[in-house]
Amino acid sequence: DIQMTQSPSSLSASVGDRVTITCRASMNIGKYLNWYQQNAGKAPRLLIYAASSLPSGVPSRFSGSGSGTEFSLTISGLQPEDFASYYCQQSFSVSYTFGQGTKLEIK
Amino acid sequence: QVQLQESGPGQVKPSQTLSLTCTVSGASTSNGDYYWTWIRQPAGKGLEWIGRIHPSGSTNFKPSLRGRATMSVDTSKNQFSLRLTSLTVEDTAVYYCAGEMGRTHWYFDLWGRGTLVTVTS
Repeated sequence: DIQMTQSPSSLSASVGDRVTITCRASMNIGKYLNWYQQNAGKAPRLLIYAASSLPSGVPSRFSGSGSGTEFSLTISGLQPEDFASYYCQQSFSVSYTFGQGTKLEIK
Repeated sequence: QVQLQESGPGQVKPSQTLSLTCTVSGASTSNGDYYWTWIRQPAGKGLEWIGRIHPSGSTNFKPSLRGRATMSVDTSKNQFSLRLTSLTVEDTAVYYCAGEMGRTHWYFDLWGRGTLVTVTS
């Protein structure tokens, strides 16, 4: 399986801050990288697909970048509803794998 | 509005078999644009992809689960199912059904709310 490693595992920030979460793949996955947001007790929600594409309905403060083995998710201007957990997922190779998650907490 | 809803037993004994069903509304399980997928999440941990089934019947599974997991689609009921055998306490998790779609890039854009399965004697 392709290993996905996220950093940091947890992050404290304030409303209005800009934060970046990094995801590293154990091999070159091109742009086959998706990001999901998960609020406590809820199902994940698709945030970014193909490394940098936003599905309709996702606010433009979310952005994704990267290719190959290094990827990042940036949230510009944190809102209260953004404090959640975030997961990257590779879609290059079935069996799909997720990063271990990053928990974004209010400072 | 597409909705997915998991159903199944909340508790199963070790060595027994788990059967979960996902009922889809607002979309058809015969839609070839989708792979119907199961993903699980142990309490306080990350997401683990279990496997997927295409309406054609084609399946893929996580290698470490192969042999224990099977999936099926019932297009007449608009449902798809997961069967997991030889359960251990490590199979305790919230199980999500999901729809995976895409063209050149694939992603999970439909999710159920999840159902907690506890493996305990």
